[in-house]
Amino acid sequence: DGGITQSPKYLFRKEGQNVTLSCEQNLNHDAMYWYRQDPGQGLRLIYYSQIVNDFQKGDIAEGYSVSREKKESFPLTVTSAQKNPTAFYLCASSGQGIYNEQFFGPGTRLTVL
Amino acid sequence: AQTVTQSQPEMSVQEAETVTLSCTYDTSESDYYLFWYKQPPSRQMILVIRQEAYKQQNATENRFSVNFQKAAKSFSLKISDSQLGDAAMYFCAYAGNNRKLIWGLGTSLAVNP
Repeated sequence: DGGITQSPKYLFRKEGQNVTLSCEQNLNHDAMYWYRQDPGQGLRLIYYSQIVNDFQKGDIAEGYSVSREKKESFPLTVTSAQKNPTAFYLCASSGQGIYNEQFFGPGTRLTVL
Repeated sequence: AQTVTQSQPEMSVQEAETVTLSCTYDTSESDYYLFWYKQPPSRQMILVIRQEAYKQQNATENRFSVNFQKAAKSFSLKISDSQLGDAAMYFCAYAGNNRKLIWGLGTSLAVNP
């Protein structure tokens, strides 16, 4: 079955530690996205990538980093510079064309202890 | 910059009844897409329906339909014969030329048995 997987579902980290969230897709989509979701704030774009080896900052990129070495994978690293990292993180992908809808993974809940 | 507004933070409907969720947007672009996404308690984001701005005919997907008023920049979602499984957060989103989705803050829909 084609789809997007995110792992782990729940993640706990201590303050000051970097952590990497995984996102993999087998939909052969060119574009991939990372969103952060907080209560009452909807979805906010962190980073996006329209092609392998290229990515752009979204609206709230500070304290985050990404890589896009393979078409299928778009990992997100939450660094210690992110002041308030506890949130729900969603990964999405979309195919060719400007207006193709985005398909989402199941999300990762990150909690900083 | 484009914006998306959902003016109803919470709505409720009786099972089997019809409910309409509101969404307005602001843009200077002429070509764009609009989407309604559903996020149930599992937090998996699911595409409900999509509307292409250049199409005058309102999109329909089974019990879900939209009322797209381009001049008024309005994009409401109508759910007919509401079911318990329709209970979720519903997000309206706009996709313009830059391929990034602009999201509303969501409407929480409760379905009463």
